[in-house]
Amino acid sequence: DTEVTQTPKHLVMGMTNKKSLKCEQHMGHRAMYWYKQKAKKPPELMFVYSYEKLSINESVPSRFSPECPNSSLLNLHLHALQPEDSALYLCASSQVAGASGLAYNEQFFGPGTRLTVL
Amino acid sequence: GIQVEQSPPDLILQEGANSTLRCNFSDSVNNLQWFHQNPWGQLINLFYIPSGTKQNGRLSATTVATERYSLLYISSSQTTDSGVYFCAVGNNAGNMLTFGGGTRLMVKP
Repeated sequence: DTEVTQTPKHLVMGMTNKKSLKCEQHMGHRAMYWYKQKAKKPPELMFVYSYEKLSINESVPSRFSPECPNSSLLNLHLHALQPEDSALYLCASSQVAGASGLAYNEQFFGPGTRLTVL
Repeated sequence: GIQVEQSPPDLILQEGANSTLRCNFSDSVNNLQWFHQNPWGQLINLFYIPSGTKQNGRLSATTVATERYSLLYISSSQTTDSGVYFCAVGNNAGNMLTFGGGTRLMVKP
């Protein structure tokens, strides 16, 4: 099974709402990622979890709160978002390689959640 | 961080034509991936190719790590090949997967 799933596919929310994006993989990968992609731009890394611990936070505003409840699941909690946060949010996973645990292998992406903030 | 440049930014082909997409990067890498993003946003893995040459049907890729570039070849293009092709690279020095700007391909029937 080489699939990463994401729910919901589409989400429309107001600036005062709280919502969550969900990501799941069953490939036994121990690294999971959140990316943000604006229209006509490449994906940009937001967060990396390695062995269920947050290892990288690319200076993302606190209105985005990631959570990794177990090795298969990754959530992104959203609160008080702004219209400019409207984007495609992509989840990915990969194996962690190397003795240091810092090397990451091929990443596999989910289909994304298209978020609109009104 | 690593800089990744892709060329050309836009490409229009007639169905059946061949093309070469290029990815240049600024530092040594141990992870290089080519993706095809379809109109619905799904990133489809084409190749994991930090070095060497691979082929998969009408697609092939070559990475010359010492010269810091990779090429994606598309032969006998089809309308379903349309979309955006991304090159993404990473290394062990803490640099995560960094994407190039993409090549937007349109294949006309």
